[in-house]
Amino acid sequence: EAQVTQNPRYLITVTGKKLTVTCSQNMNHEYMSWYRQDPGLGLRQIYYSMNVEVTDKGDVPEGYKVSRKEKRNFPLILESPSPNQTSLYFCASSQLGSPVYGYTFGSGTRLTVV
Amino acid sequence: GDSVTQMEGPVTLSEEAFLTINCTYTATGYPSLFWYVQYPGEGLQLLLKATKADDKGSNKGFEATYRKETTSFHLEKGSVQVSDSAVYFCALSPTGNQFYFGTGTSLTVIP
Repeated sequence: EAQVTQNPRYLITVTGKKLTVTCSQNMNHEYMSWYRQDPGLGLRQIYYSMNVEVTDKGDVPEGYKVSRKEKRNFPLILESPSPNQTSLYFCASSQLGSPVYGYTFGSGTRLTVV
Repeated sequence: GDSVTQMEGPVTLSEEAFLTINCTYTATGYPSLFWYVQYPGEGLQLLLKATKADDKGSNKGFEATYRKETTSFHLEKGSVQVSDSAVYFCALSPTGNQFYFGTGTSLTVIP
């Protein structure tokens, strides 16, 4: 089954403790992206990647890092999480190097930073 | 900058009622426009899209027409079902790299 898999689904952590949210897709998509979803704000793009070793900032990149060492994986790293990063996070991927053809989203990771 | 504005919810309708969710956009150039749907506890799924002016996207009984003169992409369905209860997001992509979502409209359909 074609899918984007995120882990974990739920995570509670403390301020300052580094964490990684993993994202993997099995569709050989070039384009991958991370979003956060907050009430009243919709989805905002954090980082995206057009291909292996190519990443770029979205609208809200502060406090996040990403890497794209393999085509299928695009982990999101929070080096020193803060409470304002409490949110619902989605990873998404798309074929042909562009989201114009439609995203496939993961099921989401609900992160709480206390 | 580029942005999408969609009607605030929540929206509650009876089964078989007509649905309209308004969406307007601001963008330079000729963006592609999308509607995504998010069912409870799930990620977003592409519902329909339109890539140029006057295009009509359609899927599962939902339709939306890309109106450049009014910068709109309103979502419509003639007869909603309980299974349509979800959050609907309007979105645009001006370049294919950046992607902008609206704030989402929650729809509840009651039997």
